[in-house]
Amino acid sequence: DQQVKQNSPSLSVQEGRISILNCDYTNSMFDYFLWYKKYPAEGPTFLISISSIKDKNEDGRFTVFLNKSAKHLSLHIVPSQPGDSAVYFCAASENSFNKFYFGSGTKLNVKP
Amino acid sequence: ETGVTQTPRHLVMGMTNKKSLKCEQHLGHNAMYWYKQSAKKPLELMFVYNFKEQTENNSVPSRFSPECPNSSHLFLHLHTLQPEDSALYLCASSQVGGGGYTFGSGTRLTVV
Repeated sequence: DQQVKQNSPSLSVQEGRISILNCDYTNSMFDYFLWYKKYPAEGPTFLISISSIKDKNEDGRFTVFLNKSAKHLSLHIVPSQPGDSAVYFCAASENSFNKFYFGSGTKLNVKP
Repeated sequence: ETGVTQTPRHLVMGMTNKKSLKCEQHLGHNAMYWYKQSAKKPLELMFVYNFKEQTENNSVPSRFSPECPNSSHLFLHLHTLQPEDSALYLCASSQVGGGGYTFGSGTRLTVV
């Protein structure tokens, strides 16, 4: 059973607008969450993280929001740029340990 | 060389072949992982090594055999694979006890 779900396989956004990528999880013990970005023919690269003691973490154009009661996190990219076009994976772990569960990814296309 | 390096980048093998995937990390990490990425599926954790010891085997068929001779090197030996094993195989490393992964670029495996 999938513990981390990304229900939107793809998202298309106009350049300059906000991109919102969503992720849901089922394990209430998860306490550390990551977003990764993946370009074709490359491995995923770390983007931003959040621990369960926070509900928001911001890094430049990227903000991750965590709603523990809903077991939901989202990644906001604003303003979106064509170079942001990639597949985005969310991942979660328990006790901030090093075993992460990944979602199936959302392919973001930012149109110029 | 920096980061996590995987070789080969692409591999085509017959079902009766034996081949090996190699991963090397230059980050001083002490945990290494093999993940499998199939189309439209979450990244599936296959094996975890902490301090060269295998700590996780996620019900992976025996036709996949990992080897971790030291904290910097990880191999995945392949034998009598099936066409459904065709996927992107990603290696990652991290520090035991916390933090996210650094991924390699992956090996695109095709079994014919």
